[in-house]
Formats: sequence, structure tokens, C-alpha cells
Amino acid sequence: GAGVSQSPSNKVTEKGKDVELRCDPISGHTALYWYRQSLGQGLEFLIYFQGNSAPDKSGLPSDRFSAERTGGSVSTLTIQRTQQEDSAVYLCASSLQGGFGNQPQHFGDGTRLSIL
Amino acid sequence: AQSVTQLDSHVSVSEGTPVLLRCNYSSSYSPSLFWYVQHPNKGLQLLLKYTSAATLVKGINGFEAEFKKSETSFHLTKPSAHMSDAAEYFCVVIHMNTGFQKLVFGTGTRLLVSP
Repeated sequence: GAGVSQSPSNKVTEKGKDVELRCDPISGHTALYWYRQSLGQGLEFLIYFQGNSAPDKSGLPSDRFSAERTGGSVSTLTIQRTQQEDSAVYLCASSLQGGFGNQPQHFGDGTRLSIL
Repeated sequence: AQSVTQLDSHVSVSEGTPVLLRCNYSSSYSPSLFWYVQHPNKGLQLLLKYTSAATLVKGINGFEAEFKKSETSFHLTKPSAHMSDAAEYFCVVIHMNTGFQKLVFGTGTRLLVSP
């Protein structure tokens, strides 16, 4: 079946612009996660959704970052007024259950974001 | 807090020789541990997971890992490397104080396989 789908696969934008990154999880997966992978910081957790609510958004690096999920499915990560340090690969994952459920997270191929 | 340390940033092997990627963990609880693999320009794929059942865990593509509490280790091994194993490997632990699967990643080990 279809895996986690992320779009765009690559995004190049100018500093100061806003960007939206999209994640389409595996159908039926209630839990959705965003991560950031950068050279300096490695892989970092950003935010967790259970259904449409975000019980943990502790990893969002600043108030320029926000995310939402609608219909218990698609999620959008928005970065406002982008800075060069936002350049990274943004990965989305989903799992069948939230909580400590013994279901692995399935990852998309990521969006490579480059800020000029 | 839970954390993992991957002891080698790069490991080079020849095709057909054994692979050993080292990981040590730190956890106040009995940890849930994973190994993920990332091929270039791809997302992460789960290789195997340990969740306090058998200490020797078998994964996909011939990989396995052994949980050793006395050594706080969860090293990944494969008897014979294949060219297609060249990738980056991440040791991962679940952060337990959050109520969900908050993954904490190691810094990664890049496996290079030469013919």
C-alpha cells in the first residue's frame, strides 16, 4: 500500500518568505510526527499529533514554526519568515496508534528545504 | 532522560565481511530501542526493535541486534555485508516521560561497503 507521502520533495526559497510543507500519512494511522534533520543538530523531534490535536509541540524551535492536522489525516508544517538556519530535511512519520503503542513509525522521504 | 550514543560516525567494510555498528544507551527505565536505516535522499526505514522480549532481535535484510543490559549496549550486526547495505544507520530510544513514542536519535553511523 501507499506509504507516507511528503511534498514538495525539494523547496528552495528566499530568506524571509513563508513555506508550507505537507505530509500525507498512511491511511488509518492516527499518530503523526514531524522531525527535522540538519547537519548541525542531527535528527530532532518537532511535534506529535494524535488525531487532529497536538499533545506535544515541545520540539518546535521558535514561534515561526506551526503545524496543523485536519480530518485526522493530512498535516501541514508552516515556517514563517524563514531564516537560513531553517535549511534542513523535514521528515514526517505516522504510526497506527499514538501513546506507547507497539506500532513502529513509518517515515516519508522528507522535504529538503534550502533557504537562500 | 533517555539517550543513545553511537560510537562510530563512519564504518568501512568490504563486501562479504561482517558488520558491527555500535550503540550504547542511557535510560532509567527498561528501554525500547530501535535501529533505523536511511538510504540517500530517502526517509528512515525500521530495521528492528527491542521491547523487552527476546534480547536477540532479528530484523530485515539479515541484520540483528543484541540487547545487553550489563553493558547498556544494543549493537547492530550482520554476518556478511552487501553493497546495498551502504547507508546511514541510526540507533533510537523512546523518551519515556512523554506518554507517546517520542524518538530520540543517535548521531548516526555511515556504513561504507567496498567491493
